[in-house]
Amino acid sequence: KAGVTQTPRYLIKTRGQQVTLSCSPISGHRSVSWYQQTPGQGLQFLFEYFSETQRNKGNFPGRFSGRQFSNSRSEMNVSTLELGDSALYLCASSGGTGSDYGYTFGSGTRLTVV
Amino acid sequence: LAKTTQPISMDSYEGQEVNITCSHNNIATNDYITWYQQFPSQGPRFIIQGYKTKVTNEVASLFIPADRKSSTLSLPRVSLSDTAVYYCLVVPSGYSSASKIIFGSGTRLSIRP
Repeated sequence: KAGVTQTPRYLIKTRGQQVTLSCSPISGHRSVSWYQQTPGQGLQFLFEYFSETQRNKGNFPGRFSGRQFSNSRSEMNVSTLELGDSALYLCASSGGTGSDYGYTFGSGTRLTVV
Repeated sequence: LAKTTQPISMDSYEGQEVNITCSHNNIATNDYITWYQQFPSQGPRFIIQGYKTKVTNEVASLFIPADRKSSTLSLPRVSLSDTAVYYCLVVPSGYSSASKIIFGSGTRLSIRP
């Protein structure tokens, strides 16, 4: 089956702009989670969605938001971009229930803020 | 959440067996040990998961002693393409929020010709 698809793969934005990243989970997976990865902080949990509802949220400012659609596709938005938001943004999907809890990651979106 | 400790980096040569040990002293009874591999600018990829004793798949073996306070990922006959960062995670069984999937600093493995 197809893996987790993230678009775009690369993005360059200017400080103050906003950006929207997209994630299509594995078919049948209802849970989508987002992570930010930087060299200094490693992989940090942003938020998790299940059946269009945010289930958990990490310790990030309100500029970071997300949503999930009825087809389980998810988007995350970062407003008023700062230089420190430059990172690899990863999305992972899972079945989210019962024994199907394994997480499969996409290849990520490399965001550069200039 | 059980904290994991693993070496920051390791070097080896093609064709060698590589063993990466992870310490997880506070592992809970219902926790599983999971290893991921990550290449630059890609997402982590699941390698292997185990609860106790030994687990083997086509990629690696995982050795877990009886006290489960540590585990060893074994990569047989590594090649240059095994150069990556390897993460050891302790994950509760059953459903677990993604917020509990904690990636530490990982072990940066470098394979030389």
